[in-house]
Amino acid sequence: DTAVSQTPKYLVTQMGNDKSIKCEQNLGHDTMYWYKQDSKKFLKIMFSYNNKELIINETVPNRFSPKSPDKAHLNLHINSLELGDSAVYFCASSHRSKGATNEKLFFGSGTQLSVL
Amino acid sequence: EDKVVQSPLSLVVHEGDTVTLNCSYEVTNFRSLLWYKQEKKAPTFLFMLTSSGIEKKSGRLSSILDKKELFSILNITATQTGDSAVYLCASQGGSEKLVFGKGTKLTVNP
Repeated sequence: DTAVSQTPKYLVTQMGNDKSIKCEQNLGHDTMYWYKQDSKKFLKIMFSYNNKELIINETVPNRFSPKSPDKAHLNLHINSLELGDSAVYFCASSHRSKGATNEKLFFGSGTQLSVL
Repeated sequence: EDKVVQSPLSLVVHEGDTVTLNCSYEVTNFRSLLWYKQEKKAPTFLFMLTSSGIEKKSGRLSSILDKKELFSILNITATQTGDSAVYLCASQGGSEKLVFGKGTKLTVNP
């Protein structure tokens, strides 16, 4: 069983389109994240949700909108895709309550987004 | 702003060599420092360090934290080609977000 699964694995699309990436974790964790990894392998946090509540929202264009229907799911919707959005997007989860010491993150296998 | 700096950015060694990867951090209200290994896909967890001077060990890998000097090292002894990967260091402070360094790309040649 995959602990953190995200779909699709690859996404190739044209500029201006709207696309979504889905993420699900079956670890019983209470916190989920979206990270963006650029071509130089730099992993940068975008969003974090704890029990469906947004707790981290980095300086990300408002074209990116996360949605957490329940604590096992965190989806990422991207409007009006731009060339610079091309990257690998990783979903992750951890078990910690807000304010507690961070537990280790478990990562999904990534979604490689290519905007043409 | 919280910052994590890793060095070197890349390293090429031969099988059997020992390597030391460095990670320095500037994090407000430090909570933890973590090491991950990233091969082709998802980063996989190696170690989490919260206290100074206590070495964590897993097989040929070990890591230690120095909270006074604000750095950590990851050692790999008797390297194998399967150790080739990008090694990521990350730290969490009071902001509750895990901040990653840019990684060290390790290549182990046979």
